[in-house]
Amino acid sequence: QKEVEQDPGPLSVPEGAIVSLNCTYSNSAFQYFMWYRQYSRKGPELLMYTYSSGNKEDGRFTAQVDKSSKYISLFIRDSQPSDSATYLCAGTAYSGAGSYQLTFGKGTKLSVIP
Amino acid sequence: DTGVSQDPRHKITKRGQNVTFRCDPISEHNRLYWYRQTLGQGPEFLTYFQNEAQLEKSRLLSDRFSAERPKGSFSTLEIQRTEQGDSAMYLCASSLSPLGEFEQYFGPGTRLTVT
Repeated sequence: QKEVEQDPGPLSVPEGAIVSLNCTYSNSAFQYFMWYRQYSRKGPELLMYTYSSGNKEDGRFTAQVDKSSKYISLFIRDSQPSDSATYLCAGTAYSGAGSYQLTFGKGTKLSVIP
Repeated sequence: DTGVSQDPRHKITKRGQNVTFRCDPISEHNRLYWYRQTLGQGPEFLTYFQNEAQLEKSRLLSDRFSAERPKGSFSTLEIQRTEQGDSAMYLCASSLSPLGEFEQYFGPGTRLTVT
């Protein structure tokens, strides 16, 4: 079992829809949870992160973490065609060697249709 | 542009050749990571530097791979005797310790194709 599981999709929604993207994780040591957006053949772009359980909102994006169920969500309101990309969730914890290496899911490919 | 830069963006090489990639992190960032991403997968951690010290290596980093970060600035990743299984996107990320060590900012990646 991978440490972070994510449905690869593809997910196709009409413009203006609310999008829900989800991941589950198995590593109880994870403290920070990140969402990255990756356009085709580009590097991942950090969208937002949360620490431990709770919600965080940034414009049209809301990230939620439920540590009791090991569930991570990203909601996109009023989705736009420019939101079409692959969304990667990741978890991290401080390692003994001092790094915060990220453990990613496979990514969910989202298409927002005009 | 003050983001992470990587060079080259694309590299095609024949099996058995050596290749070297360069990463220039965000200027004040003291932490640097290398990841590898294959098609349809998320990035996987390879190695980590704090300043010039390489402090962590993944089991994915075979002895054909070596990474350096002289003077704690740019970093290089070298692959010797490339194999077709090395074909992937190689991503570099940087972060700033201690305030934002978990906020990693990625470069555009170097896409390696081994023929």
